[in-house]
Amino acid sequence: ETGVTQTPRHLVMGMTNKKSLKCEQHLGHNAMYWYKQSAKKPLELMFVYSLEERVENNSVPSRFSPECPNSSHLFLHLHTLQPEDSALYLCASSQGRQQGGPDTQYFGPGTRLTVL
Amino acid sequence: GQNIDQPTEMTATEGAIVQINCTYQTSGFNGLFWYQQHAGEAPTFLSYNVLDGLEEKGRFSSFLSRSKGYSYLLLKELQMKDSASYLCAVRYYNTNAGKSTFGDGTTLTVKP
Repeated sequence: ETGVTQTPRHLVMGMTNKKSLKCEQHLGHNAMYWYKQSAKKPLELMFVYSLEERVENNSVPSRFSPECPNSSHLFLHLHTLQPEDSALYLCASSQGRQQGGPDTQYFGPGTRLTVL
Repeated sequence: GQNIDQPTEMTATEGAIVQINCTYQTSGFNGLFWYQQHAGEAPTFLSYNVLDGLEEKGRFSSFLSRSKGYSYLLLKELQMKDSASYLCAVRYYNTNAGKSTFGDGTTLTVKP
C-alpha cells in the first residue's frame, strides 16, 4: 500500500464508450502523474500536474483528457478510444520539486484497460 | 531527448548476487531511481542516487557515476520473491514537477 489508490482496477470498454479513471493520493503530495504501460514497452509519461496545474502534456491524443480538481485527486477521461490504447494506466504522485529532496514518485496499483 | 539502456532479461540462482546495469544519456539530470515491479503490480521505489557513489539499503545497493552515465543495482542473497522487473528511471526537471524517463526494465528470474 503506497498511499495512492486507483479505480477501477480493471476496465473493458468499447470504442464508442466514455469512461473515467480515478486516482487519489493520501500522501500530501503536490504533483501527480499519469503513465501508460503497454506490453513490451517502457513506462510512458502522459501528463504531469503540479499544484493542480498541468505542466506537461506529452503529445497525448485528445481522446485522453486529464483533470486535476485538487492536489489529492486526478482523473483521466477517456472517449473514442482505439484498441491500441489497451494498456495498464498508472497514476503516481510526488512531493514536487519545491519541497527539495529526491521527489520520489509513488505509484498506484494501476487500471488495466481493454478497448474492444 | 532522454535515452536509457538496460538488459532485457537476467537469470540468477537463489542466494547469489546479481548486478543489473543501466546506462543513460540525458540533459538536466536530477537523479536516478530504481523501481521493482512484479507482474501485474505497480512499480515500487527501491533506491535513489543523485551523487556519485554507492547507496546501500539492506540487500539492495545502487551505484551511480554521473560522468559515465552509468548506474547499477546490486541484489544480494537473492530470494525467489526477487523475481520481478527492475526499472531504471532518470529524473530531470524543466518545471516544478520532475519528469522521469524509464528504461524498458530488466526481467530478473531467480531459480532455486
